[in-house]
Amino acid sequence: AQSVTQLGSHVSVSEGALVLLRCNYSSSVPPYLFWYVQYPNQGLQLLLKYTSAATLVKGINGFEAEFKKSETSFHLTKPSAHMSDAAEYFCAVSDRGNYGQNFVFGPGTRLSVLP
Amino acid sequence: NAGVTQTPKFRILKIGQSMTLQCTQDMNHNYMYWYRQDPGMGLKLIYYSVGAGITDKGEVPNGYNVSRSTTEDFPLRLELAAPSQTSVYFCASSGQTGVAFFGQGTRLTVV
Repeated sequence: AQSVTQLGSHVSVSEGALVLLRCNYSSSVPPYLFWYVQYPNQGLQLLLKYTSAATLVKGINGFEAEFKKSETSFHLTKPSAHMSDAAEYFCAVSDRGNYGQNFVFGPGTRLSVLP
Repeated sequence: NAGVTQTPKFRILKIGQSMTLQCTQDMNHNYMYWYRQDPGMGLKLIYYSVGAGITDKGEVPNGYNVSRSTTEDFPLRLELAAPSQTSVYFCASSGQTGVAFFGQGTRLTVV
């Protein structure tokens, strides 16, 4: 069975500071990994995805994530936080089964950006 | 390109009432999903479908039903609404890229 843990339900950073949101996963098969962002009263939008190509994945809005198999991690980073980055971020894992694409989401991390 | 469209956006139900949450996608995706989102709990899978005519239970299916008569539509039915079903519901679809696309959500309150 797959699972996702996100360390820290709430992270606060100052504007211009490094953003680091942690994600660890478990999967019995090589996974697909995703980060989604949710702004207030909206649905989830894809930030980036890992599907076994390069281990460092670049996404939208300056975010990137590195797949580390030995650590079963997929942490999300951004060098310099902007006020508009304040949102909830979800890490997700999906198996590669031919019958269905089962997504398992972490509990989410709310990012606050302080002026 | 509309993507995934959910209706209604908001609804208040009385205990015991029934309703259908509508979901339609225009990306010709085979896979569709219904999730509920509760504060601090992430998203929990209610039901999913791998194609027209095929549905299966997810993690929290009790109190819900679904159907998938066409590729585009995947409605979620609540038969006897209970306060525990107060939540935000998201429909999603995915296709060959393996990426899930989400609707804007339906905020449901059962009183």
